[in-house]
Amino acid sequence: AQKITQTQPGMFVQEKEAVTLDCTYDTSDPSYGLFWYKQPSSGEMIFLIYQGSYDQQNATEGRYSLNFQKARKSANLVISASQLGDSAMYFCAMRSLNTGFQKLVFGTGTRLLVSP
Amino acid sequence: GAVVSQHPSWVICKSGTSVKIECRSLDFQATTMFWYRQFPKQSLMLMATSNEGSKATYEQGVEKDKFLINHASLTLSTLTVTSAHPEDSSFYICSAVRLAGTSTDTQYFGPGTRLTVL
Repeated sequence: AQKITQTQPGMFVQEKEAVTLDCTYDTSDPSYGLFWYKQPSSGEMIFLIYQGSYDQQNATEGRYSLNFQKARKSANLVISASQLGDSAMYFCAMRSLNTGFQKLVFGTGTRLLVSP
Repeated sequence: GAVVSQHPSWVICKSGTSVKIECRSLDFQATTMFWYRQFPKQSLMLMATSNEGSKATYEQGVEKDKFLINHASLTLSTLTVTSAHPEDSSFYICSAVRLAGTSTDTQYFGPGTRLTVL
């Protein structure tokens, strides 16, 4: 079974500062993918960044980077230079990369508030 | 990027009625769609996996007869909440998997449907 743990129910950061959102996972699959999604108040799920378990380098997408520490089973999201529009819920998720499309398992989420 | 739509975006209904929610992949074919439910301030909970041309696979604890899923074509899946009750009030989100996609970002989410049962 797969499990995602997000221990921070809420985080505050000031505009232009960097923030790290924590995510740890548990799986017995040797091949898996880790995802981060942003959910603003409108409810839509916005894909941010992906990290494959065999990827050698940490993923980066603009202001988003994923601090992947495989031995610790952590996949923290780092947002640099926070903007007011970054205020939202953030969900970490994973799925097995075994044959066939496997379902995503989500964490409980972290609410990020960016203040001016 | 790929677009997935949901209709309606919100619906209010009386207790005991049935409500149908549509999920469409607008610019790609999706053999697999997922239906999630999200209660306020909680995470997404997978309800079922919808496969085109076959019966849906429901997660443990989800009533098949209450939440009817039909994936009639490669671009449309529907979720029908039958005999809805106030406890079914929730945010329902679908996602669609692009055919023969890679492992990255191949699941595209719809904008969600907010159901309120009075």
